[in-house]
Parts: sequence; C-alpha cells; structure tokens
Amino acid sequence: KQEVTQIPAALSVPEGENLVLNCSFTDSAIYNLQWFRQDPGKGLTSLLLIQSSQREQTSGRLNASLDKSSGRSTLYIAASQPGDSATYLCAVRADSWGKFQFGAGTQVVVTP
Amino acid sequence: DGGITQSPKYLFRKEGQNVTLSCEQNLNHDAMYWYRQDPGQGLRLIYYSQIVNDFQKGDIAEGYSVSREKKESFPLTVTSAQKNPTAFYLCASSMGGRGMNTEAFFGQGTRLTVV
Repeated sequence: KQEVTQIPAALSVPEGENLVLNCSFTDSAIYNLQWFRQDPGKGLTSLLLIQSSQREQTSGRLNASLDKSSGRSTLYIAASQPGDSATYLCAVRADSWGKFQFGAGTQVVVTP
Repeated sequence: DGGITQSPKYLFRKEGQNVTLSCEQNLNHDAMYWYRQDPGQGLRLIYYSQIVNDFQKGDIAEGYSVSREKKESFPLTVTSAQKNPTAFYLCASSMGGRGMNTEAFFGQGTRLTVV
C-alpha cells in the first residue's frame, strides 16, 4: 500500500526566508502528485499539480519538484511571508481511478 | 462561481442519531470523494464515486453510507454505528476516469461533534 510521509511535522521560519517542504512516497508508480494548503478550520486549496511525466511545476513564488525514482517531491516557497503560515499537505494519486493518498502535513509558521 | 459546497459548516450529533452531510459541486466532475480528517493525521478516504449510481468503499467506510443519485451531489450519512464520529469531514471532486489530469478540488469542510 502506498504510504506518504511529510517531514518535518512543523516548521517555523522568519519572514523572507525560503521554505522547503518535503514529501516522500513508497511506491514510485504514481499518476500525479498534488500540493495543497490548509488554513485552520478550512478546506484544502490546491497549489500545484505535477503529472508523473513532469519534473517540476511552478506558480508564482511556488515551485514543486518530483523525483519518482527516489519517491520524493519538494515544495519550495520563495521569500516567505506571514500569510504563508498554514499547513501544507501533499497527496499522491496512485490509483487509475483517481484516489489520493495524503501525507499528514507540515505546519508552517512564518514570523514577522 | 464554480466550486464545491459543503453544508452545514458545523454539525452536532447526539448519541444514537444518524446525520447527513451535504456536498454539492458545479464543476461537472465525474468523481467525488469523502475524507475524514483527525488532528495530527492525514486525510483518510471514507467513500468515493466515479459515476452516478455507483460508489466504492474507501479505507474507513464502516459506520458511514453514501448515495450518488445525481452527478452534482454526494451526501454522506454518519450512522449510529460509527463509534467515534467527531472529526472534520471534507468532500472533494475531480474529473475522474483514467485520465492524467485529475486535479482534486475540495469543499470548506463540515465539523461534526458528538454531544
């Protein structure tokens, strides 16, 4: 069974520093990987979707890389801001019918 | 605006009661999902549906039931058989099928509390 791990569970950085969030998965046979942001008490907001054939995906200050062979994805957030404080989750689609397997998330705090 | 609407935002259940959580989407997505989120844990799949009138159990289906009578709607019933229902429930949808572009979109969640 596919297992998804996110380390660290929590991270605190000063404003302006770059954020590096890690996601690892046990089975490299994936269809895609998606990064989400979750604010307290809210639903998930999609940040980036990386197809299995892609190595990276970018949107504004966000960049996500994918290395299927090593079972890893990394989300980079450049020049962090207090508004980036949230929990970030990664999800792997390892099923042909679209089921996703989630990591437990990394809680990020950006201090002014 | 296109999106997924979950209601209610907060729900309280008494012991022995069944309660139903609503999920509606206007994204014309074929696939819909229900996840449960507990503090410090990742999302766990309860049920999913790829087409109308068809649905499959996820990893933690015991004590839950669903229906998919319309493409837009995928309600979740938490039955009295679910012994620990207090959690945050999230509904999601995606294009589904065997295509590559299955980006998932989520609703704002329903927080269920047993009183």
